[in-house]
Amino acid sequence: EPEVTQTPSHQVTQMGQEVILRCVPISNHLYFYWYRQILGQKVEFLVSFYNNEISEKSEIFDDQFSVERPDGSNFTLKIRSTKLEDSAMYFCASSLDRTEAFFGQGTRLTVV
Amino acid sequence: KNEVEQSPQNLTAQEGEFITINCSYSVGISALHWLQQHPGGGIVSLFMLSSGKKKHGRLIATINIQEKHSSLHITASHPRDSAVYICAVDNNDMRFGAGTRLTVKP
Repeated sequence: EPEVTQTPSHQVTQMGQEVILRCVPISNHLYFYWYRQILGQKVEFLVSFYNNEISEKSEIFDDQFSVERPDGSNFTLKIRSTKLEDSAMYFCASSLDRTEAFFGQGTRLTVV
Repeated sequence: KNEVEQSPQNLTAQEGEFITINCSYSVGISALHWLQQHPGGGIVSLFMLSSGKKKHGRLIATINIQEKHSSLHITASHPRDSAVYICAVDNNDMRFGAGTRLTVKP
């Protein structure tokens, strides 16, 4: 069964460093999403991406964040100059037609 | 005020019991999703609803668009159903409820 794959499963980074979280969506899907979940809190929407551009983004998704689909298969989330409060589980999801979304297993980012 | 409210926050049941989790929302939506988050953190999509009712195995989800309310039911609950169940509404972006932590005891 097709699945969304995220790498790495756990990333530890020093405060101020840049991180890139990688996602491989399901191959024929057209809509891509990033979400985050700070430990003990609810899931929050970050950004949606369609037709090679951002379609929606939340207030959280400021200039520190960027997304890219560099090669037609990967969908990446870059976080520049990481802060302690960026520590969270980051989930990627993809959807064929904005109905059912398929989630990856998440990347746990720890900023120290 | 949260745009998506779930109740209860925590729910403990005995194996075999019928479970109901509720979700109310305050914004206009194109669809409502029920998600299951496993203890390890992974998220699985259970249902996407825009009207009526859907059934998948022991899980049933209903939505009342006029009342802005949805329910997730689990029949004949089992310890493997123990997870956090999350309601999320789709309004161009997705807004999530805080989740309901379900524990089913054998």
